[in-house]
Amino acid sequence: DAKTTQPNSMESNEEEPVHLPCNHSTISGTDYIHWYRQLPSQGPEYVIHGLTSNVNNRMASLAIAEDRKSSTLILHRATLRDAAVYYCILEARGDAGNMLTFGGGTRLMVKP
Amino acid sequence: GAGVSQSPSNKVTEKGKDVELRCDPISGHTALYWYRQRLGQGLEFLIYFQGNSAPDKSGLPSDRFSAERTGESVSTLTIQRTQQEDSAVYLCASSPPWGLYRVFGQGTRLTVV
Repeated sequence: DAKTTQPNSMESNEEEPVHLPCNHSTISGTDYIHWYRQLPSQGPEYVIHGLTSNVNNRMASLAIAEDRKSSTLILHRATLRDAAVYYCILEARGDAGNMLTFGGGTRLMVKP
Repeated sequence: GAGVSQSPSNKVTEKGKDVELRCDPISGHTALYWYRQRLGQGLEFLIYFQGNSAPDKSGLPSDRFSAERTGESVSTLTIQRTQQEDSAVYLCASSPPWGLYRVFGQGTRLTVV
């Protein structure tokens, strides 16, 4: 399985932008980049996914490097409710396993 | 329902007892997944169901663990002869036929004493 590497933790101030990095140097051409987040005592929540082009949705933006070996999840204005563990995961479309294994993620702390 | 529903939300059981955990996926979602999450750790894949295909059981940690799913509806995860190391949050997720995102339930917190 292609692996991802994320910092263990990051801090941000409320209402400032947050850039959460993810390295995936062994990504294959069919791998999609997914981001999920997990708030305390809750199940993971889908945030965004992309393949090659940058993506925007109501929750966040995903910036994907041209060589696809890294990506950045961007929260444009962090709120206290964004404090969570953010997981960057790779999954190949059509993969029969579709396991979407989660690693340790990045714990984002937001300061008021 | 609007989301993935899991029951019970909390379960405390004695070592050696069997437990059954239930997952109601979102209607129309063909894929269903079970994961385990130990305290402070990431998610560990257990088993995957896709429609009427044979399930992918490659993540089940031992033969004490089994899961069933009836068609594209409810799934139950059974743990026989529970051990203390089985204590964890068990998460269920489902995804639609066109895939690429999963909706997770709130999980069942299992404590084996």
